[in-house]
Amino acid sequence: GQQLNQSPQSMFIQEGEDVSMNCTSSSIFNTWLWYKQEPGEGPVLLIALYKAGELTSNGRLTAQFGITRKDSFLNISASIPSDVGIYFCAAITGNTPLVFGKGTRLSVIA
Amino acid sequence: DGGITQSPKYLFRKEGQNVTLSCEQNLNHDAMYWYRQDPGQGLRLIYYSQIVNDFQKGDIAEGYSVSREKKESFPLTVTSAQKNPTAFYLCASSILLAGLNEQFFGPGTRLTVL
Repeated sequence: GQQLNQSPQSMFIQEGEDVSMNCTSSSIFNTWLWYKQEPGEGPVLLIALYKAGELTSNGRLTAQFGITRKDSFLNISASIPSDVGIYFCAAITGNTPLVFGKGTRLSVIA
Repeated sequence: DGGITQSPKYLFRKEGQNVTLSCEQNLNHDAMYWYRQDPGQGLRLIYYSQIVNDFQKGDIAEGYSVSREKKESFPLTVTSAQKNPTAFYLCASSILLAGLNEQFFGPGTRLTVL
């Protein structure tokens, strides 16, 4: 089946540092999504990407839809303590259910 | 106030009992989904439904059942046949429109089977 390889699995960074995480696949997708999940809560949609090569920002977050349609990255600039959580990538083609990465657990040291 | 509601937030059951988790959405979304999340793990799809009175198995449907009698509601029953039911259960919904695939999640229900 389709799989997304998300890396890194976890990150420990100092407050103020920039963060980068990515997802890759051997399959082509039409849409890439990035979610953040805080402990005990449901994932919240951060950014949606619909076009190959698209670069989209949401505040300090920037995500890109890879030109090959097989990958995407998420950058967080100037991290703050409230950025702590698990970040998931997800991708989809057509009306099939989303395929999810296993998540990147981000810890921010003040 | 639009969104997806799941109730209850925490649920405790004795082993061998069936339990039903509620999921309601007022977003007028066509599709609804149930996921299971175990500690430190990603999301695994249990069942999904794209239209009323129809649903499909996901990757881990064994020991679970669902119904979709109304567009707004997609309850999940965890049966006694599910060998390891303790987990965090997430419901999600989305519209079905070509080129628009954003899926939105509820707050989750943590089920503990004693």
